[in-house]
Amino acid sequence: ETGVTQSPTHLIKTRGQQVTLRCSSQSGHNTVSWYQQALGQGPQFIFQYYREEENGRGNFPPRFSGLQFPNYSSELNVNALELDDSALYLCASSSFGKVGELFFGEGSRLTVL
Amino acid sequence: KQEVTQIPAALSVPEGENLVLNCSFTDSAIYNLQWFRQDPGKGLTSLLLIQSSQREQTSGRLNASLDKSSGRSTLYIAASQPGDSATYLCAVPRRISGTYKYIFGTGTRLKVLA
Repeated sequence: ETGVTQSPTHLIKTRGQQVTLRCSSQSGHNTVSWYQQALGQGPQFIFQYYREEENGRGNFPPRFSGLQFPNYSSELNVNALELDDSALYLCASSSFGKVGELFFGEGSRLTVL
Repeated sequence: KQEVTQIPAALSVPEGENLVLNCSFTDSAIYNLQWFRQDPGKGLTSLLLIQSSQREQTSGRLNASLDKSSGRSTLYIAASQPGDSATYLCAVPRRISGTYKYIFGTGTRLKVLA
């Protein structure tokens, strides 16, 4: 098991609502990345946080935003939810600048109705 | 632009078979390649990390090979067991803003029949 924890594990929202997902990084890691995994697809990079700032973003609109806190934990916020936002959201922990292993949490399954 | 593909998309085999999963990438200038396992609805568990300077990496019944020049990696699973049933994903890092993001394939969904 990795030391990366995510909450909540499952949640259901309706279109137009907002959601916040949380992630605690592994001890010793200072960087948190968020990925979206639609059913039957590989994870897609949303963005990464380092030193409490966004450090790189994938092809996702601004309604996807995040935060990183001094203890390196992170939040992913999605506004104005759309049906296509239904997916497994994965948080990954790593050390900035090191292209070593990536450690994932168990994910948060979001269903948008 | 780096693209990662995996074939086959799904595979069903009887218990005990040796099998090979394939991963291809378009840009051979990679730092490493990582293989992950994902159980249904769960997160990703790292299986093997193979550095660009390596040709093989082994862990138990798993062996990963890397051929950068041809843009390919294979994951070999020996003596498959029903507990190996899962989706297997490969990923390569791409440099962004001083650090790295990972590009994933779509995975191979493996079912090992008892």
